[in-house]
Amino acid sequence: AQKVTQAQTEISVVEKEDVTLDCVYETRDTTYYLFWYKQPPSGELVFLIRRNSFDEQNEISGRYSWNFQKSTSSFNFTITASQVVDSAVYFCALSPLGGTGANNLFFGTGTRLTVIP
Amino acid sequence: KAGVTQTPRYLIKTRGQQVTLSCSPISGHRSVSWYQQTPGQGLQFLFEYFSETQRNKGNFPGRFSGRQFSNSRSEMNVSTLELGDSALYLCASSELTSGGANEQFFGPGTRLTVL
Repeated sequence: AQKVTQAQTEISVVEKEDVTLDCVYETRDTTYYLFWYKQPPSGELVFLIRRNSFDEQNEISGRYSWNFQKSTSSFNFTITASQVVDSAVYFCALSPLGGTGANNLFFGTGTRLTVIP
Repeated sequence: KAGVTQTPRYLIKTRGQQVTLSCSPISGHRSVSWYQQTPGQGLQFLFEYFSETQRNKGNFPGRFSGRQFSNSRSEMNVSTLELGDSALYLCASSELTSGGANEQFFGPGTRLTVL
């Protein structure tokens, strides 16, 4: 069974602060993908990153960075120098790697981030 | 390329009615997945279609069904609507490669309200 836990329901930060969104997952699969999506008020889910279970390298993209630790089943997301435009709900998701279930994303419950100007 | 489009964007129905939602994927994408988003249950996978065949199905009752046409456009249908079916229905399209779990591009969703 797949499960994704985002324990932080809501976070508020002041603009320019750094913020980390936590994601912990459970799966019996030995190979899998992890994702982060952003959902702004418009409702459309915006893809941020995909990471496969073979690759534990951290990734940085501009102000965004991701820390994948297989040993603790965590895939945390950090926004550096937050901006008001970062205000959204952020979802962590998991899917099998390959096979007919590959496009079946299991989502966490999301973390609502509010950046206060 | 145009993004994923969903019609209609908003819909109001009454209990017992049925509804059909439409999704046009990004040109060239052959996989279309549907998700239901509610405040109580969050985002849940409904089903996925590829080449007009249902490849995978989530844990939803048979009142939820879908289909895909030869141009990859997809429709989902909900029959005998219940109040609990009120939700944002999101469609996502992706290319399908041997690597699986490709980046899924989501549409803006159809917000269904059942009265």
